[in-house]
Amino acid sequence: TQLLEQSPQFLSIQEGENLTVYCNSSSVFSSLQWYRQEPGEGPVLLVTVVTGGEVKKLKRLTFQFGDARKDSSLHITAAQPGDTGLYLCAGGYTGGFKTIFGAGTRLFVKA
Amino acid sequence: GAVVSQHPSWVICKSGTSVKIECRSLDFQATTMFWYRQFPKQSLMLMATSNEGSKATYEQGVEKDKFLINHASLTLSTLTVTSAHPEDSSFYICSAEEGARETQYFGPGTRLLVL
Repeated sequence: TQLLEQSPQFLSIQEGENLTVYCNSSSVFSSLQWYRQEPGEGPVLLVTVVTGGEVKKLKRLTFQFGDARKDSSLHITAAQPGDTGLYLCAGGYTGGFKTIFGAGTRLFVKA
Repeated sequence: GAVVSQHPSWVICKSGTSVKIECRSLDFQATTMFWYRQFPKQSLMLMATSNEGSKATYEQGVEKDKFLINHASLTLSTLTVTSAHPEDSSFYICSAEEGARETQYFGPGTRLLVL
């Protein structure tokens, strides 16, 4: 069974702090996506990474794909209350295998 | 970016009735669409994979006669919850895969409440 382990499951921090969310697997992915979901809404795609070692930045968010394409991290600098939400990672494969999702990290940023 | 719409955004129905939820890819063609169910404060649970022009593939434990999926065109997939019961109350989310890319774009979700 393919698994994508996401940690931590829950994170409550003060505004201005930094944080990192991790996704790890024993599987090699051809791509990995990060989504953010707010209550009552569907997940919104933040980024797709496809190259081992790739780093992408989206304002205060930095995404990294592991060299072996088995893991990824999301780092948020100076978190703000607007960053509150459920963060999901998803690993994709070529060849028709279905994408697998992590269990999610629920982030709460206190003002 | 790719946009996926879902309709209705919320629905309340009586037990025993059927409810149809539509999922549309607005600016791209999606040969594959996915239907998820999400319980409060939990991650997504894949229910089925919908392929245009063919039968949907259901995940283990999901009743195909209960959750009817139709993917009649490259931009539309529908999920019908038949003879809905209170335990079917949930947040249902669809996603569409753009072409050969592995990225899924999600709809805004449909909240179903069965009384």
